[in-house]
Amino acid sequence: DQQVKQNSPSLSVQEGRISILNCDYTNSMFDYFLWYKKYPAEGPTFLISISSIKDKNEDGRFTVFLNKSAKHLSLHIVPSQPGDSAVYFCAASESNTGKLIFGQGTTLQVKP
Amino acid sequence: GAGVSQSPSNKVTEKGKDVELRCDPISGHTALYWYRQRLGQGLEFLIYFQGNSAPDKSGLPSDRFSAERTGESVSTLTIQRTQQEDSAVYLCASSLIPTVGDTQYFGPGTRLTVL
Repeated sequence: DQQVKQNSPSLSVQEGRISILNCDYTNSMFDYFLWYKKYPAEGPTFLISISSIKDKNEDGRFTVFLNKSAKHLSLHIVPSQPGDSAVYFCAASESNTGKLIFGQGTTLQVKP
Repeated sequence: GAGVSQSPSNKVTEKGKDVELRCDPISGHTALYWYRQRLGQGLEFLIYFQGNSAPDKSGLPSDRFSAERTGESVSTLTIQRTQQEDSAVYLCASSLIPTVGDTQYFGPGTRLTVL
């Protein structure tokens, strides 16, 4: 069973516009959520995270929103830049372990 | 400073052979994680180490998979009698401590192809 789901395999946006990447989860025990970014032939790199006690966390152009009742989180990138083109993975964890459960990833393409 | 390194970067093997994949974590990181990514899929957790003990091996797909870690240093993931479905990118990550909120730093991965 897929506990973390990213239902959109790909997303294409114009440079300067907003990119919104979505993620759903099923396990109510998850209390920490992360977004990782991955370029080809490289390992994922940490982007931003949010604890379940918050509903929003912002870091520069990146904002993560958490809706616990809907078991849904989203990553907003504003403004999008061509260098943001990568695969974005949503991940979730329970508080007693660092083990991460990942979604399938969404490939973002930002067009100049 | 040096990041997480993995070797080899690519490994092609024949079905039925054994393979060993190596991970060198960031110095001082007590926690080490192994994940794999099969084509078109997300990362699957395999196992994690706290020091040289493995409190959670729940993601290992079968008894053909094993891993060990020497102290708070190098880890080796061994796959015995490889099968074609073992083909994937195997990723290693490390963090200071194995707790939620402590950033995991990933290596570039080992791409394993089983013919």
